[in-house]
Amino acid sequence: AQSVTQLGSHVSVSEGALVLLRCNYSSSVPPYLFWYVQYPNQGLQLLLKYTSAATLVKGINGFEAEFKKSETSFHLTKPSAHMSDAAEYFCAVSDRAGANNLFFGTGTRLTVIP
Amino acid sequence: DTAVSQTPKYLVTQMGNDKSIKCEQNLGHDTMYWYKQDSKKFLKIMFSYNNKELIINETVPNRFSPKSPDKAHLNLHINSLELGDSAVYFCASSQVGQETQYFGPGTRLLVL
Repeated sequence: AQSVTQLGSHVSVSEGALVLLRCNYSSSVPPYLFWYVQYPNQGLQLLLKYTSAATLVKGINGFEAEFKKSETSFHLTKPSAHMSDAAEYFCAVSDRAGANNLFFGTGTRLTVIP
Repeated sequence: DTAVSQTPKYLVTQMGNDKSIKCEQNLGHDTMYWYKQDSKKFLKIMFSYNNKELIINETVPNRFSPKSPDKAHLNLHINSLELGDSAVYFCASSQVGQETQYFGPGTRLLVL
């Protein structure tokens, strides 16, 4: 079975500071992992994904994530937070079965303080 | 051009009513999904539909039924609405062999 755990339902950072959003996964097969962002009252937008190629994945808006098998982690980082980064962030793992269903974490709300 | 669209954006209705939410994708994808996001923002898969094969999450009540008139559409029908059905419902699509799912903007359902 696949699942993800996001530590910290709320994270606050100052503008220009490092953003670190944590995600740990559990998977019975080599995982495909994703980070999605949800801005207020909007749908989900893919930030980046890991599909067993390079372990350091770069996404949109300056975000990146590193797949660490030994730690079963896929933490999301950004060197310098911008006000526009304030949103809800979801980590997800795919079951990689025929339906390719996504199993989401509970989300982390990022607040950026001016 | 909207890749995955949903209508309506907002839906307010009374308990016991039957309602439908429409989803259309213009990406040429062959798999479509419905997810439910509850008041705590938790997202959970409800259905996936691919090549006429429907995979149902076992926790979804049978009051919910997806209907696909063609490859580009997967509509969600809900019978006998209950208060607990209030949530945001997201449609998504993907292509077989491609991992990325593309999400619609969501439909906010409020059952009174």
